[in-house]
Amino acid sequence: KAGVTQTPRYLIKTRGQQVTLSCSPISGHRSVSWYQQTPGQGLQFLFEYFSETQRNKGNFPGRFSGRQFSNSRSEMNVSTLELGDSALYLCASSPGQSIYISGYTFGSGTRLTVV
Amino acid sequence: AQSVAQPEDQVNVAEGNPLTVKCTYSVSGNPYLFWYVQYPNRGLQFLLKYITGDNLVKGSYGFEAEFNKSQTSFHLKKPSALVSDSALYFCAVRAGTSYDKVIFGPGTSLSVIP
Repeated sequence: KAGVTQTPRYLIKTRGQQVTLSCSPISGHRSVSWYQQTPGQGLQFLFEYFSETQRNKGNFPGRFSGRQFSNSRSEMNVSTLELGDSALYLCASSPGQSIYISGYTFGSGTRLTVV
Repeated sequence: AQSVAQPEDQVNVAEGNPLTVKCTYSVSGNPYLFWYVQYPNRGLQFLLKYITGDNLVKGSYGFEAEFNKSQTSFHLKKPSALVSDSALYFCAVRAGTSYDKVIFGPGTSLSVIP
């Protein structure tokens, strides 16, 4: 079956702009989590969506937002970009239900560079 | 608050030797524990998980991990390292009592030397 698809793979933006990243989870998976990966901070949790509802949120400023659609696809948006937002943004897909605790399936990520 | 520590930034091991990548955690209640591997410019790949039951968990590519509740540890092991095992390894934890977020450790870079 198809894996987790993240688009675009690479993105270059200017400070102050906004950006939208997309993630399509594995078919049938209802949970999508987003992580920011940087060399200095490692993997930082952004948020998790399950059945179109935000179930968990990390400690990021309000410039970072997300949503999930009825087909489980998810988008995250970063407004007023800062240089420090340059990172690899990873999307993780899982079934999401408590009766089945699985590992995540990750996408290949979107590499965002802010200049 | 839950947390994960991987005390070694870098682990070097000779090919054919056993390898261990260490992980300790802190979480309220029973933990769900995971190991992932990341190859350069790729997303993370799931290796194995501990939910409940036998403390020794076997996973992909010959890896296994041992859950030790008293030491709050979940070390990743492999009896015989391969050069292709060289990658970045992440330990992760989630509180088992709720739909809590999954927290990742800082990662350990494993180099297997031919």
